[in-house]
Amino acid sequence: KNEVEQSPQNLTAQEGEFITINCSYSVGISALHWLQQHPGGGIVSLFMLSSGKKKHGRLIATINIQEKHSSLHITASHPRDSAVYICAVRSGSARQLTFGSGTQLTVLP
Amino acid sequence: GAGVSQSPSNKVTEKGKDVELRCDPISGHTALYWYRQSLGQGLEFLIYFQGNSAPDKSGLPSDRFSAERTGGSVSTLTIQRTQQEDSAVYLCASSSSVGGREYFGPGTRLTVT
Repeated sequence: KNEVEQSPQNLTAQEGEFITINCSYSVGISALHWLQQHPGGGIVSLFMLSSGKKKHGRLIATINIQEKHSSLHITASHPRDSAVYICAVRSGSARQLTFGSGTQLTVLP
Repeated sequence: GAGVSQSPSNKVTEKGKDVELRCDPISGHTALYWYRQSLGQGLEFLIYFQGNSAPDKSGLPSDRFSAERTGGSVSTLTIQRTQQEDSAVYLCASSSSVGGREYFGPGTRLTVT
């Protein structure tokens, strides 16, 4: 079993829809990251969180430490949100990130 | 300011040749990470540098892989006697502190023929 599990693997939505991507992990963590990878490979860090909720524009990330679960929400989705969204955790004293397999999001106009 | 840069952006090499991949982290960032993303696979950790401490090499897949970081800045990942399974995108990231937000470079796409 992978330490970090994401769902769904693939998600197609219509422009304007509210989107949720889920991430579950099996180890104690010091922080959880949400990353965005566009076609062409560039990776951007969206959020780093260890508790509660963070919001940036139309993106919201939440984490429940007790349940070892995080969600990434996109409100009013747009075709430019189409990308792979990756959940990653830094566990305990580890210095490196462990990654989920990613969620391919396609937002249709 | 400038982000993390990597060179070359693409590298095609013959099986058995050695390759060097370069990473220039954000100035002042003490932590530097190398990751690999194989086709259809997720990202995997390779090696981590923090300041002057000994690097964490626990993710290197074989002794053909090595990395160094000179002067606490630029890093070079070297793959000796490349194999086809080494074909992947190699990503470098840096952060200003241990456990901090990581900033990723654009990656080097390595193809071993």
